[in-house]
Amino acid sequence: DTEVTQTPKHLVMGMTNKKSLKCEQHMGHRAMYWYKQKAKKPPELMFVYSYEKLSINESVPSRFSPECPNSSLLNLHLHALQPEDSALYLCASSQANTIYEQYFGPGTRLTVT
Amino acid sequence: LAKTTQPISMDSYEGQEVNITCSHNNIATNDYITWYQQFPSQGPRFIIQGYKTKVTNEVASLFIPADRKSSTLSLPRVSLSDTAVYYCLVGPDGDKIIFGKGTRLHILP
Repeated sequence: DTEVTQTPKHLVMGMTNKKSLKCEQHMGHRAMYWYKQKAKKPPELMFVYSYEKLSINESVPSRFSPECPNSSLLNLHLHALQPEDSALYLCASSQANTIYEQYFGPGTRLTVT
Repeated sequence: LAKTTQPISMDSYEGQEVNITCSHNNIATNDYITWYQQFPSQGPRFIIQGYKTKVTNEVASLFIPADRKSSTLSLPRVSLSDTAVYYCLVGPDGDKIIFGKGTRLHILP
């Protein structure tokens, strides 16, 4: 199984809502990532988890809160987002020692109204 | 300072071989060169990775000259389904990889 799954596929939320994005992999990967991608731009790294611990936060605003409950799951909790946060949110995973070979999920298309 | 430079876009025709060149003048000794492919509304997909000389897999070939300051991704006999954005990356940079601007490849019938 080389699949990374993400739910939901689409999400529309208001600026006062709280929602969560979920990501799951069963490849035994111990590194997991959140990326944000705006239209016609490259993916931008947000967070890296290594062995379930947050190792990189790319100065992401606190309205985005990541969580790694176990080695297979990665969540991104959203609160008080702004319209400019609308984007495709991608989750990825990799072996901890081969981070150049990342497996990406299909993404969650988020629209903040 | 951008780590990689690629053409913004390229057009080619079905059945042709497509070569996309990436410049990485400041590549470090321990950097690898990695290429990803991304279709619209999907996550990127790892294609190929190399350190020097030539690497080939079932999808593409990667040519890296001795000075490693550039690399060329070669896609043999492309089809319409190869229309995508292709990203060249060097690194990793610690615990992360950094995507450059990519090359939008458009295959014409």
